[in-house]
Amino acid sequence: DGGITQSPKYLFRKEGQNVTLSCEQNLNHDAMYWYRQDPGQGLRLIYYSQIVNDFQKGDIAEGYSVSREKKESFPLTVTSAQKNPTAFYLCASSISGGWGAFFGQGTRLTVV
Amino acid sequence: GENVEQHPSTLSVQEGDSAVIKCTYSDSASNYFPWYKQELGKRPQLIIDIRSNVGEKKDQRIAVTLNKTAKHFSLHITETQPEDSAVYFCAASIEGNTPLVFGKGTRLSVIA
Repeated sequence: DGGITQSPKYLFRKEGQNVTLSCEQNLNHDAMYWYRQDPGQGLRLIYYSQIVNDFQKGDIAEGYSVSREKKESFPLTVTSAQKNPTAFYLCASSISGGWGAFFGQGTRLTVV
Repeated sequence: GENVEQHPSTLSVQEGDSAVIKCTYSDSASNYFPWYKQELGKRPQLIIDIRSNVGEKKDQRIAVTLNKTAKHFSLHITETQPEDSAVYFCAASIEGNTPLVFGKGTRLSVIA
């Protein structure tokens, strides 16, 4: 299970709170991604980064923010502006953009 | 942007039979097509991929075919076993450039 690590595995958030999901990789990959998984919806891209200090919005970026200060780390913040944040969040990395991605084990976020 | 359609959404086969999952993509510039397998509660894992310079690739019981003209690609699993039961995702990208865009997944059930 080494290579790309997400924490925590389960996260509970009260309405109106911001929460940050951690993603760390030791694969020396340049590109990192955040996907959201909902039942029957597949994997939808939230944000991606192909190089340190640069990132781009994906298809469903509203209510989320990211940073890429280090090559190894790509944390995702789910803000209070995200109206339906309950989902399974998957972080991934690849050698460079568009190559086969390796996924972390995911964080299941639940709003209570 | 790229759009990937995947069919069927669910598939049940008898153990030992073959299973075929089909995907279509919209962007003719896409040139990298991976397939992922996700077991219940686990991360998606890359099982096979194909690039646009080949039409078919095999790995033991798994094969992928690509028709660039029609913009569709398929996953073929032969001699299915109960451990093949999972959700399978296809994806497409421009290698070295754009992030992976995923289909909505196919839930495969292999009945013993």
